[in-house]
Amino acid sequence: GESVGLHLPTLSVQEGDNSIINCAYSNSASDYFIWYKQESGKGPQFIIDIRSNMDKRQGQRVTVLLNKTVKHLSLQIAATQPGDSAVYFCAENMWSSASKIIFGSGTRLSIRP
Amino acid sequence: DTEVTQTPKHLVMGMTNKKSLKCEQHMGHRAMYWYKQKAKKPPELMFVYSYEKLSINESVPSRFSPECPNSSLLNLHLHALQPEDSALYLCASSLTGDGSDTQYFGPGTRLTVL
Repeated sequence: GESVGLHLPTLSVQEGDNSIINCAYSNSASDYFIWYKQESGKGPQFIIDIRSNMDKRQGQRVTVLLNKTVKHLSLQIAATQPGDSAVYFCAENMWSSASKIIFGSGTRLSIRP
Repeated sequence: DTEVTQTPKHLVMGMTNKKSLKCEQHMGHRAMYWYKQKAKKPPELMFVYSYEKLSINESVPSRFSPECPNSSLLNLHLHALQPEDSALYLCASSLTGDGSDTQYFGPGTRLTVL
């Protein structure tokens, strides 16, 4: 079965508010984590990644937090916009020698006007 | 150029047809991937090519046959598919194919098998 899972399948957020999407992983050997955004009819789009030697990484309007103690990953989106509506997947790579990532089941983010 | 392109965008085929999906990238990446994605599900890895050699086959049925003619191109040959093979087929590429590589995805080919 999948080693990466999400707490909530759907998330509805007011436009302008911050969004937090959570992800739990089960393999403590995983050392690389990625967040992807997939809009309807499109392929997954890389958002941000984090290595296991880091706790936090920031991008433009996005922050990823990694808590290795409880095997938890989160994606924070600041000032959520209508264009942020999509399915968000976390993914993990536990193989240092191969880029073989396992995707979580996904969270659909919808934005209320 | 940071784009992975895939053709065709849509494909409808019968169970006796032979067709091919094509993927191309010009980012100098040496690893390329095929994924299958069913509706409302995450992508599932099918094949990985690293430096033009097949490095991972996730026990995919032989009716799917990958080919990597050169480092920029990746094909997926389809033959005698079943209706349950209908899905979005995604291609991705990454720099080297090692464990900390970021994979970049194409828009996918929506395949319908009748």
